[in-house]
Amino acid sequence: DTAVSQTPKYLVTQMGNDKSIKCEQNLGHDTMYWYKQDSKKFLKIMFSYNNKELIINETVPNRFSPKSPDKAHLNLHINSLELGDSAVYFCASSQSEKWAEAFFGQGTRLTVV
Amino acid sequence: DQQVKQNSPSLSVQEGRISILNCDYTNSMFDYFLWYKKYPAEGPTFLISISSIKDKNEDGRFTVFLNKSAKHLSLHIVPSQPGDSAVYFCAASSYNNNDMRFGAGTRLTVKP
Repeated sequence: DTAVSQTPKYLVTQMGNDKSIKCEQNLGHDTMYWYKQDSKKFLKIMFSYNNKELIINETVPNRFSPKSPDKAHLNLHINSLELGDSAVYFCASSQSEKWAEAFFGQGTRLTVV
Repeated sequence: DQQVKQNSPSLSVQEGRISILNCDYTNSMFDYFLWYKKYPAEGPTFLISISSIKDKNEDGRFTVFLNKSAKHLSLHIVPSQPGDSAVYFCAASSYNNNDMRFGAGTRLTVKP
């Protein structure tokens, strides 16, 4: 009964491909996020969605696009994958009153070859 | 521009002793600080937080101390247990900004 689940757990793909990572939360939270953990292990926020509105968009290439079909889902679409996109991507959710106390998914390790 | 720094990549302590993990930040606008714990192949889990109006927050074996003048916070775990072995991330944010900045993490190993 996972609170925040993301699929797939591992993704290996070739440069130039388009891929998606799915995320679902069953906590009833109103805010969802995507984080990227780079090779130096820093976790950096990419996107934040609150009530289906994008409220944060860090300096992320527009090849990355979040899609939220409903409050419980925030999928990450990546177009024209590049080698530098290889990283672990974490989905997270929180309730706006305690927005910093986020619940994270287990991560998706993306490898671009 | 790393605004949150954890200068010790690893720490090893004996079971039952105190673990002290340190974190420094540079942005004086940060007013809310958190610690997350991460096991391998799992996402980070929220552990404890502290607001800038406090200098200490305690939750069971875990205590976070904040020194605003030094822009420094620390996490104390007493007594340390083998199950505490994980990577600990320090994070900082502003109340009016949903942007949370993480440090690079410190890997804690508690030896039985």
